[in-house]
Amino acid sequence: QKEVEQDPGPLSVPEGAIVSLNCTYSNSAFQYFMWYRQYSRKGPELLMYTYSSGNKEDGRFTAQVDKSSKYISLFIRDSQPSDSATYLCAMSAQAGGTSYGKLTFGQGTILTVHP
Amino acid sequence: GAGVSQSPRYKVAKRGQDVALRCDPISGHVSLFWYQQALGQGPEFLTYFQNEAQLDKSGLPSDRFFAERPEGSVSTLKIQRTQQEDSAVYLCASSLATGTLNTEAFFGQGTRLTVV
Repeated sequence: QKEVEQDPGPLSVPEGAIVSLNCTYSNSAFQYFMWYRQYSRKGPELLMYTYSSGNKEDGRFTAQVDKSSKYISLFIRDSQPSDSATYLCAMSAQAGGTSYGKLTFGQGTILTVHP
Repeated sequence: GAGVSQSPRYKVAKRGQDVALRCDPISGHVSLFWYQQALGQGPEFLTYFQNEAQLDKSGLPSDRFFAERPEGSVSTLKIQRTQQEDSAVYLCASSLATGTLNTEAFFGQGTRLTVV
């Protein structure tokens, strides 16, 4: 079993829909939680970053972390065709006394928003 | 340049051939990571450099994989005697972080390696 599980989809929604993307994880040491967006043939780009449990909002995007359930979510409101991409959750833990941002990714969810 | 630059963008290698993939991180970034992304999968960690020191190479899949960053800037990932299972996108990322986690890692566009 992988440390981070993410439903690969694909997910297809109409423009304007609310999109919910989720990941579960098994490593209790994870404390930093991120969502990356990856367009086809491009590198991942950071969308949202959250430390520990809680919510964070940035424009149309909301990230939620529930450490007690080992579950994280990304919500996209008023989805646009330009949001069509692969969304990757990623997590990081403190490695002993040295933290350096080594990321463990989910498989990625392919999202298509059609006009 | 403004971002992380990787070259070549695409590489086709015959099985058994050696390849070298280059990463030019953002100037001044201390941390450099290599990840391997198989088709339809998320990136998987290969190795980490802090300046010129390779502090973690736990993700390198075999001794055919070797990475270096001799002057603490440009890094090269070398794969010897390539096999079909090495076909993937190899991503490089850099960040300012040293000892802290809350700085963004910027990814390059990757090198797509196809072994035939």
